[in-house]
Amino acid sequence: EIVLTQSPGTLSLSPGERGTLSCRASQSVDFNYLAWYQQKPGQAPRLLISGASSRATGIPDRFSGSGSGTDFTLTISRLEAEDFGVYYCQQYGSSPLTFGGGTKVEIK
Amino acid sequence: QAQLVQSGAEVTKPGASVKVSCKASGYMFSIYGITWVRQAPGQGLEWMGWINTYNGNTNYAQKVQGRVTLTTDTSTSTAYMELRGLRSDDTALYYCARVTSEKGRIYNGFDVWGQGTTVTVSS
Repeated sequence: EIVLTQSPGTLSLSPGERGTLSCRASQSVDFNYLAWYQQKPGQAPRLLISGASSRATGIPDRFSGSGSGTDFTLTISRLEAEDFGVYYCQQYGSSPLTFGGGTKVEIK
Repeated sequence: QAQLVQSGAEVTKPGASVKVSCKASGYMFSIYGITWVRQAPGQGLEWMGWINTYNGNTNYAQKVQGRVTLTTDTSTSTAYMELRGLRSDDTALYYCARVTSEKGRIYNGFDVWGQGTTVTVSS
């Protein structure tokens, strides 16, 4: 089973700042099948990024994904107030599919 | 637009079973798979398994294998998740989500999610 470790646990940023979220895998993710989700309280997760770097439909271009192999990054270029929530990475390259523990993004 | 609507909250006792439904609309049901993810209170996301709605093939996480069964009714575009032998640590919010697959492999993230169904296991 691939273990995904996300850091930091919490990120406190002001609107307009840049946010960098990390996801490290215990072994290489097949085909770089790595996704990122945003979850706000009381809501289902929302897909942001698939295939490590492809934005999902309707996702603003301030969200970008990068990385390959075992190290992946989600970057929020200019944080907006609506970007608060918990961000999860997920690998779907091998079974069992696994999620990271999440990074909470707080707005200062 | 594509939508998944889940059945209502369930309260059940240890050892019992629960069956949660997930009705799809706005897209061709048999072209996409359905996966199930749960989230214990205050915790992260846990993948449970997925079903290929075209041929009925399933893949389960080891943690729930033997207790969970995923099925579909293509005539009503509905997917089901049945969990048996419920324990207190099965108390969680259960989500269904849509997946894109090819040759038995999921190759995209989960792009459409249901609203979630709360399952509470308590004596």
